[in-house]
Amino acid sequence: IAGITQAPTSQILAAGRRMTLRCTQDMRHNAMYWYRQDLGLGLRLIHYSNTAGTTGKGEVPDGYSVSRANTDDFPLTLASAVPSQTSVYFCASTRGLIEQYFGPGTRLTVT
Amino acid sequence: GEDVEQSLFLSVREGDSSVINCTYTDSSSTYLYWYKQEPGAGLQLLTYIFSNMDMKQDQRLTVLLNKKDKHLSLRIADTQTGDSAIYFCAEVTDKLIFGTGTRLQVFP
Repeated sequence: IAGITQAPTSQILAAGRRMTLRCTQDMRHNAMYWYRQDLGLGLRLIHYSNTAGTTGKGEVPDGYSVSRANTDDFPLTLASAVPSQTSVYFCASTRGLIEQYFGPGTRLTVT
Repeated sequence: GEDVEQSLFLSVREGDSSVINCTYTDSSSTYLYWYKQEPGAGLQLLTYIFSNMDMKQDQRLTVLLNKKDKHLSLRIADTQTGDSAIYFCAEVTDKLIFGTGTRLQVFP
């Protein structure tokens, strides 16, 4: 059982390029989330999905898009990366209000 | 609105108790959580408290909740060097909202 996985582990990306961060969970959790973590700012919610087929905007959604075609996968896409999107990105999933699991993170550097 | 605040740093001597504080603004929060993040790793759920509870103890961890003041604290007894990490509080209403994190440094 893998839990929740993210890919890639890290990436250096040129500004203006398109990038998709992958997130997969095998726990059949309904809700999934994408956060970015920046020094001094903690974790900020980018987008979320309460169940397959639905998505919602979090605190900092601009420049990012998500899709939730099935329960297991929740990819995050940067359509045209900018340096301010340099961050560590965490995917998380929950089944209810108690069980919450985080992926190991993706470190993204936009140059 | 939703806002969760924490102090950024805490430094304690090994063997002492650590108290990490958090304030939140959304009174409709159902659960409040404490997460631990070790260097280079993701977040790990440490403990949680239901909003109708005042206190929860789990081995070396004690969580206190003051709903009137919207204040949450995490006490770590007999703090060890392995407790050095960033600690995040979080509240949930319809989604998780995290605080800024408190970096706990434990020195010998």
